[in-house]
Amino acid sequence: GEDVEQSLFLSVREGDSSVINCTYTDSSSTYLYWYKQEPGAGLQLLTYIFSNMDMKQDQRLTVLLNKKDKHLSLRIADTQTGDSAIYFCAESIMDSNYQLIWGAGTKLIIKP
Amino acid sequence: DAMVIQNPRYQVTQFGKPVTLSCSQTLNHNVMYWYQQKSSQAPKLLFHYYDKDFNNEADTPDNFQSRRPNTSFCFLDIRSPGLGDAAMYLCATSRGRTGANVLTFGAGSRLTVL
Repeated sequence: GEDVEQSLFLSVREGDSSVINCTYTDSSSTYLYWYKQEPGAGLQLLTYIFSNMDMKQDQRLTVLLNKKDKHLSLRIADTQTGDSAIYFCAESIMDSNYQLIWGAGTKLIIKP
Repeated sequence: DAMVIQNPRYQVTQFGKPVTLSCSQTLNHNVMYWYQQKSSQAPKLLFHYYDKDFNNEADTPDNFQSRRPNTSFCFLDIRSPGLGDAAMYLCATSRGRTGANVLTFGAGSRLTVL
């Protein structure tokens, strides 16, 4: 079945770039998403990319998609303490009846 | 601001005592979802409505029910909460049209079962 995998933790120094990785199995993915969840809160959409694109940039965020390897990454430039959160990768697939397939989330830890 | 509001933010109940969680939206979105999220896990879809059409996930326990009386409101009823139902419950909405299925989430309702 469909599966989305992420590393559980990433630790970076404040001011460095963070790169959060995600792999997925379903080749019929249409869109891939990154959501951010701060402690005790709901999920907030950060960005998404259509599966026929290979890159999308939005201010400090850069999304790279390698469709051949089914690999998605989120790069956060100049990581700040406010970026501490759990980052979820998700995919929607054709005819999925509005269901998203979610990764388990990567907790981003910022070191001073 | 258009948004998704969940109430209550925190709910404490006793084992077996029914609970209702509510969700309202001002986005006029067609689709409303209920997710269950346990600590350090991905959100798990329980069910969703496209307008009035109800879609239950195959592994959602019968203990969980939902109602959507109108476009703006959706309720999650847990008929007999067990200790394993303690979790964050997230409501989300989406337009439901073709294209990216962008979900807007509420802040969640955290359920504690004693």
